[in-house]
Amino acid sequence: KAGVTQTPRYLIKTRGQQVTLSCSPISGHRSVSWYQQTPGQGLQFLFEYFSETQRNKGNFPGRFSGRQFSNSRSEMNVSTLELGDSALYLCASSPGGTADEQYFGPGTRLTVT
Amino acid sequence: GENVEQHPSTLSVQEGDSAVIKCTYSDSASNYFPWYKQELGKRPQLIIDIRSNVGEKKDQRIAVTLNKTAKHFSLHITETQPEDSAVYFCAAPDSGTYKYIFGTGTRLKVLA
Repeated sequence: KAGVTQTPRYLIKTRGQQVTLSCSPISGHRSVSWYQQTPGQGLQFLFEYFSETQRNKGNFPGRFSGRQFSNSRSEMNVSTLELGDSALYLCASSPGGTADEQYFGPGTRLTVT
Repeated sequence: GENVEQHPSTLSVQEGDSAVIKCTYSDSASNYFPWYKQELGKRPQLIIDIRSNVGEKKDQRIAVTLNKTAKHFSLHITETQPEDSAVYFCAAPDSGTYKYIFGTGTRLKVLA
C-alpha cells in the first residue's frame, strides 16, 4: 500500500496570509489526524477527522481549521498567519477506531516570514 | 485528560550498549502505547507498540515493557548502532477520544 502523502512539502508565507495543506491517507484508512511539531513544543494535536466529521480538536485558535473529503483526503487551513505558526505540520492516518495504529506523512514545513 | 511524561530528554550511549527510555502516563484507562522513531528531516515512524493486555513485546533489538500498576512503559534498545541515533517519541491515547498525547521526545545519540 502507498503511504501517507502530504503536499506541499515546503511553504514560505508572509504574516497575515493564509495557507492550505493537504494530506492523503493510506488507502482504506478513514481517520486523519493533524499535528504541529516545533522544537520547543514537540508534537501537538490539532484535530482529527473521520468520515468527513471532526471528532476531536486540540487547543489551537480558530485560525486553524480543517476538513475531510469523502475520499478521506484531508486539508488544514491556517488563516492570518503569525510568525509562531512556523512549524512542521504532520498528518497521520489510521483505520479510525480508538487505539488504532497511526502512520505519519512526511510533513509540510511551513515558514512564516 | 491524558498526560504523558518522557525521560530522559537526551541520551548518549556507546555503540553496542543498551538504551532505555521511559514514559509515564496518567490515565489508567489508556490501553495502547506506541513508540515512534524520527530521524532528522524525516517523518515519525512507528517502531513498536504494546497493548495493555501484555507486559512485554520484543522485535529483534527493540522491546517495550508496560507496568500498568505504576502507569509507565519503557523502550529498550539493545546492541545499539549508529543508525539508532534519532529522536524517539512515546504516546498514549486520550481515552474517550480519538487523539494521542505524545511525550516530549528523547534524542538518542549512539557514539561510534
